[in-house]
Amino acid sequence: GESVGLHLPTLSVQEGDNSIINCAYSNSASDYFIWYKQESGKGPQFIIDIRSNMDKRQGQRVTVLLNKTVKHLSLQIAATQPGDSAVYFCAEEETSGSRLTFGEGTQLTVNP
Amino acid sequence: GAVVSQHPSRVICKSGTSVKIECRSLDFQATTMFWYRQFPKQSLMLMATSNEGSKATYEQGVEKDKFLINHASLTLSTLTVTSAHPEDSSFYICSAYGYGYTFGSGTRLTVV
Repeated sequence: GESVGLHLPTLSVQEGDNSIINCAYSNSASDYFIWYKQESGKGPQFIIDIRSNMDKRQGQRVTVLLNKTVKHLSLQIAATQPGDSAVYFCAEEETSGSRLTFGEGTQLTVNP
Repeated sequence: GAVVSQHPSRVICKSGTSVKIECRSLDFQATTMFWYRQFPKQSLMLMATSNEGSKATYEQGVEKDKFLINHASLTLSTLTVTSAHPEDSSFYICSAYGYGYTFGSGTRLTVV
């Protein structure tokens, strides 16, 4: 179902620290998961994705972990930079090209 | 890479008038396009899904007569907010599915 929230959870880190952003998804039938970054006044920007047959995937400075048992997804950002400050959303898909359902989002603030 | 162009980026309209938002896939053909609405500090909520040449499928609670969607070609979908009211003020985002999901940059609608 849709995710609705009245406020965004926040995470504040120091520049250079590692950040971990968590997401609980709702549909056990979801097969594909994506992390997006959204800056103020802009559309979501793809960061990294993972399919349900994997439990970890790494990109440049980012790692996504998937725990299907507890329906939990996390995004790890290494050596966080001020430019990483944004809202991060996880999204889940059940069938290819059908629809994406977004999580509630987390506001990441990186302090210099 | 895949690019989706969304216009206008910002629009202010008077209450009772209609506003059209365009979403174009520039370098790929989109089998499906999606329209989302996002209120401040909240997640993206799917409004409707449209396939070229067929009627859009609206999410529960979304008025199809108020939010008219036309998907005339594989590269263009439009969302028309009819008889807009201040409560329709929001950030509208389109997404095109072709090579994965590609998002537009969003449209900030303000109804005065």
